[in-house]
Amino acid sequence: NAGVMQNPRHLVRRRGQEARLRCSPMKGHSHVYWYRQLPEEGLKFMVYLQKENIIDESGMPKERFSAEFPKEGPSILRIQQVVRGDSAAYFCASSPRLGEGTEAFFGQGTRLTVV
Amino acid sequence: DQQVKQNSPSLSVQEGRISILNCDYTNSMFDYFLWYKKYPAEGPTFLISISSIKDKNEDGRFTVFLNKSAKHLSLHIVPSQPGDSAVYFCAADFNKFYFGSGTKLNVKP
Repeated sequence: NAGVMQNPRHLVRRRGQEARLRCSPMKGHSHVYWYRQLPEEGLKFMVYLQKENIIDESGMPKERFSAEFPKEGPSILRIQQVVRGDSAAYFCASSPRLGEGTEAFFGQGTRLTVV
Repeated sequence: DQQVKQNSPSLSVQEGRISILNCDYTNSMFDYFLWYKKYPAEGPTFLISISSIKDKNEDGRFTVFLNKSAKHLSLHIVPSQPGDSAVYFCAADFNKFYFGSGTKLNVKP
């Protein structure tokens, strides 16, 4: 039973390019969360998705960032026209459901570097 | 608006002694809490959790205490080992997972 898979592990983009980060949740998990960790900071919530639905995107920057979790395939976090400030580690987590007794399982993260 | 707060960014403890990591929250609706451990260049891994119907949960060397009236929880590690050196995040599960900013624990041999 594979864990949460994120790819790529490392991504380098020039300013103005697009970054696409992929997350395959654990088998049977229909809830996906994206978090961002800036250097020397904690985990900041970005977006919570269920299959084909965005449940909570209160942590997403208003521009350039979007996320999806299609019926088939991985969840995608897309950052358009990247800037240096987007450099961070992006973590995806999945859970089977909400509520007591549920923990979120994290992937290894994608480290985005904007040069 | 930080609803889960870890006010100590770092903690240094001697091997064999107790490590106490603290966490405060502001939302009285939160009823399930988790601790995660994170090594550099890896994703956080689940450590231990506690429901608001309990005030203590123990798993080996790790014990989490919950004080609902104070909106405070703590993680105790006894005895601390060098391999425990990592960043520890507390989180509340309420419609989504709210994470604190983390405490970096250094256990000195």
